[in-house]
Formats: sequence, structure tokens, C-alpha cells
Amino acid sequence: DAKTTQPPSMDCAEGRAANLPCNHSTISGNEYVYWYRQIHSQGPQYIIHGLKNNETNEMASLIITEDRKSSTLILPHATLRDTAVYYCIVRRTTSGTYKYIFGTGTRLKVLA
Amino acid sequence: GAGVSQSPSNKVTEKGKDVELRCDPISGHTALYWYRQRLGQGLEFLIYFQGNSAPDKSGLPSDRFSAERTGESVSTLTIQRTQQEDSAVYLCASSLGGFDTGELFFGEGSRLTVL
Repeated sequence: DAKTTQPPSMDCAEGRAANLPCNHSTISGNEYVYWYRQIHSQGPQYIIHGLKNNETNEMASLIITEDRKSSTLILPHATLRDTAVYYCIVRRTTSGTYKYIFGTGTRLKVLA
Repeated sequence: GAGVSQSPSNKVTEKGKDVELRCDPISGHTALYWYRQRLGQGLEFLIYFQGNSAPDKSGLPSDRFSAERTGESVSTLTIQRTQQEDSAVYLCASSLGGFDTGELFFGEGSRLTVL
């Protein structure tokens, strides 16, 4: 199973872009990269996902390197409400079964 | 329902007792996942259901843990002879399943405390 590695914590000034890196050097060709975040004690919340192209939605952008061994989640204008633990996840697909493997997460603190 | 529902939200039990945790996924979601999250740690995969069958039980930590799903809907995670190290938040998630690449929808979790 592909594993992910993330820095344990990061700080970001309010209004600035938050760039959260993730290493997934053992990722296979059919494995998607997902990002989720967990605010305080709530259940994780989906942010974005991608396979090999960069993706953007109303919450964030996902930049995946050409070799797919790493990715970066970008929150373009971080707010205090973005303070959370961010998880980079690789979804393993084997014979029609799907397994989401969570990494250790990055605790992002947005500073006023 | 509108979202994934888990019950109980909090459970305190004595060591050695059995507990059952319930998950009601979003209607129509064929895939269901259970995760465990210990205090201050990340999510640990336990088991995955596609329909009523569990093709991946690799994350269940011991034979004291079991799970079932019926009617392609409700799932129950059972922990027998609970130990203090079982104390954690147990999270359930569901998705459309199949080849859909969409998101997992998580419940708010069941917090288990074993005294």
C-alpha cells in the first residue's frame, strides 16, 4: 500500500496562501491522491482529489508533480477557519476494491 | 438520511465488556469504511465493505474486533472483551462505491472510553 509523508505542522498568516506538501513516492499508476481535513473533533471533510492533472475547486488547488511522487495542496487565501489537520491520502484500487490510506496529517495553524 | 449517522456518540464501558457501534451510511452508498482514531493521532483503517461483503478486513487489530453490514445499509462494529487500548474515536464513512472516484462522507464518530 502506498504511504504518504507530510510535515507534522505548519503555520500560515491569515490571507496568505497555505501550501501543504505531501510525499507519496511509492504511488502506483491507478492510485488517486485525495486531501481531507479534520477540524477539531469533527469527522474528516473532503477537499479535493486528482490522478495526474492539477485540479482546482472552490476550496483549494491540487498540484501533482509529473512523476506523481509528490503533491501540494494550496489554500489560496487562508482564513482562521482553515485551522485544521490536513490529511493526504492515496486511494488504492485492487480488483474493484478501494482502500483509503490516511497519512499522519499536517496540523495547519492559521495566524491572525 | 442527509449524512452518515453514528451511534452512540459517546460510550463509556468497563474493561472486559462488549460494545457495539452502529453506522447508518448515506442512502444508496454501497461502500462503507470503519476507521479508528486514537487521541492526537491519525486515522487507522479497520475494514471496508462493498455492499454487504468485506473484501478488506486487514485493518482489524485483533479477533476481538468484528463488523457486519446488512441490507447494504447499516453496519455494526463489535468489540468483544474491551481493553483500555481500545479507547478511541471510531469513525464511519460511506461513498457511492464502484468505480466512482468521489469523496468519502464521514460521520461524527463514536467516542469509546474503556475504564
